[in-house]
Amino acid sequence: DVKVTQSSRYLVKRTGEKVFLECVQDMDHENMFWYRQDPGLGLRLIYFSYDVKMKEKGDIPEGYSVSREKKERFSLILESASTNQTSMYLCASSLLTGLQTEAFFGQGTRLTVV
Amino acid sequence: AQTVTQSQPEMSVQEAETVTLSCTYDTSENNYYLFWYKQPPSRQMILVIRQEAYKQQNATENRFSVNFQKAAKSFSLKISDSQLGDTAMYFCASRGGAQKLVFGQGTRLTINP
Repeated sequence: DVKVTQSSRYLVKRTGEKVFLECVQDMDHENMFWYRQDPGLGLRLIYFSYDVKMKEKGDIPEGYSVSREKKERFSLILESASTNQTSMYLCASSLLTGLQTEAFFGQGTRLTVV
Repeated sequence: AQTVTQSQPEMSVQEAETVTLSCTYDTSENNYYLFWYKQPPSRQMILVIRQEAYKQQNATENRFSVNFQKAAKSFSLKISDSQLGDTAMYFCASRGGAQKLVFGQGTRLTINP
């Protein structure tokens, strides 16, 4: 059974804190993605990675960074959390070969910044 | 650049009815795939159906089918004989050569008993 696991379902952090969101997949996928989901805006791509130590900016990378030191793990970092980063964060992974490959998602982390 | 637009924020139908969700997209890629994903209240995203841009035949998966109009850049999802378990957010998405998977704004579908 394929699995993408996000470290927390719910998280509350204070403004200015450094926040780490962790994502692990057990499918040996090359691609990994971080999205944020907001009502009316859908899923917006923050960063994605197609290999270890490789990263590409998505549509809304400002205020975020990522780390991929191992193939199975992709971390999203909020360097200094702000209230406008309160959102649902979704991690996904997929094979690199073929555009048709399905993306598998974690269950999301609902982050509240107070 | 890839963009995906879903213009129906919410829809509601009665059980057993047929419903169509709309999606338009824009891409500069020659080859690309289009997807519909479902996100039920559990928040777990699930692939519903996919369509290759080079294939003229519309994809079908059981009660789910698409109407792919390449020239119009339209990719709608039809759900036949809708069931209570179809209640979910539905997202249209596209993927091109750069591997980016881009989503639309989503449509919240409610199936009423």
